Amino acid sequence: SYVLTQPPSVSVAPGQTARITCGGNNIGSKSVHWYQQKPGQAPVLVVYDDDDRPSGIPERFSGSNSGNTATLTFSRVEAGDEADYYCQVWDTSSEHEVFGGGTKLTVL
Amino acid sequence: QVQLQESGPGLVKSSQTLSLTCTVSGGSISSSNYYWTWIRQSPGKGLEWIGYIYYSGTTYYNSSLKSRITMSVDTSKSQFSLNLKSVTAADTAVYYCARNPQQGSFDYWGQGTLVSVSS
Repeated sequence: SYVLTQPPSVSVAPGQTARITCGGNNIGSKSVHWYQQKPGQAPVLVVYDDDDRPSGIPERFSGSNSGNTATLTFSRVEAGDEADYYCQVWDTSSEHEVFGGGTKLTVL
Repeated sequence: QVQLQESGPGLVKSSQTLSLTCTVSGGSISSSNYYWTWIRQSPGKGLEWIGYIYYSGTTYYNSSLKSRITMSVDTSKSQFSLNLKSVTAADTAVYYCARNPQQGSFDYWGQGTLVSVSS
């Protein structure tokens, strides 16, 4: 089955740029979606189809996808960005939706 | 604005069947553009896709759960449902329903409902 690998945690100071990676075999050939989940809340879609943002999501959130790594980038990180982030793809081989293990973003 | 709301028992006994319903409002469950999805999250853990159902009744299930899952849809009530049989403590989780634009992202989610399995 297809596996997505995320770092367990990323730490960044306010105002800096943070990047969360999502690794998978030839993930660049898939559409990657990213979710933000704050404690006690449902996940919220923040980036879809690699690099598109739903309405209401700040431009500070951006995505990219190439080769074996997809990346969610936060420019000018704010305290309110502190949350768990998950990547997700559809694996055509197994006909399964697959999530990464999640990354906790900590704003120092 | 599309809204999804899960409902069902918060406590299920081990070996019994977990049954949840998701009610969709603000959009048509009969749209050909979407799959209707169940996702769960065990306490302190990540997200696990359970499966989804199309308005026609076509289903896709996670193979790890396939032998225990049944999903159904009632378009007249704008609801879709999950049955998970023979539950164990490992099935204790927050269960979410969500909308999926045909193997794309999950763009709308319910608030989630915690189901605990007791012995």
